[in-house]
Amino acid sequence: RKEVEQDPGPFNVPEGATVAFNCTYSNSASQSFFWYRQDCRKEPKLLMSVYSSGNEDGRFTAQLNRASQYISLLIRDSKLSDSATYLCVVTQSSNDYKLSFGAGTTVTVRA
Amino acid sequence: GAVVSQHPSRVICKSGTSVKIECRSLDFQATTMFWYRQFPKQSLMLMATSNEGSKATYEQGVEKDKFLINHASLTLSTLTVTSAHPEDSSFYICSVRQGLSQPQHFGDGTRLSIL
Repeated sequence: RKEVEQDPGPFNVPEGATVAFNCTYSNSASQSFFWYRQDCRKEPKLLMSVYSSGNEDGRFTAQLNRASQYISLLIRDSKLSDSATYLCVVTQSSNDYKLSFGAGTTVTVRA
Repeated sequence: GAVVSQHPSRVICKSGTSVKIECRSLDFQATTMFWYRQFPKQSLMLMATSNEGSKATYEQGVEKDKFLINHASLTLSTLTVTSAHPEDSSFYICSVRQGLSQPQHFGDGTRLSIL
């Protein structure tokens, strides 16, 4: 079983729509969770960290469910510029700096 | 502004050539840097952890003699792909982290193509 699994998509949505997707992780000892955004042929860029209580950053909302070992990302009022691959990233254990990456969920926002 | 600088961004060379990639931490001193590789449509895979002043820690399956890592200062780590072959063609990315549980910041990546 992969350490981090994501639905690859693609999620094709119109501008203004809401899109949400999940990511599951296998290591129950994972402590830190992040969503990164990766544009085609570019490096990943941090979108937001995910906190236990859930957190919001503008149009983006992240949730963490430790019991079911998944995190989610919701994008409201989608913009064309939101088109990208979203990577779910999880630390491998509580004392380790190593990150495990999902393969990414592709979102395409159309006009 | 950029936290990490990676150079070069693109390399195209013949099989058998050795290629050196540099990764610089711009905002803080980094005793640890990370090197990843990403093949098309796949997730980033950690290759090795670069430790300042000591040997790098390689992940299982990564040949340390092929991927030489040198972390000579607190702001610079280099990855040398020795005698590169077409199967080494990939996107190589370095990252730095400011502290435990902090997110990692990535360099721009180096797209390596071996002919």
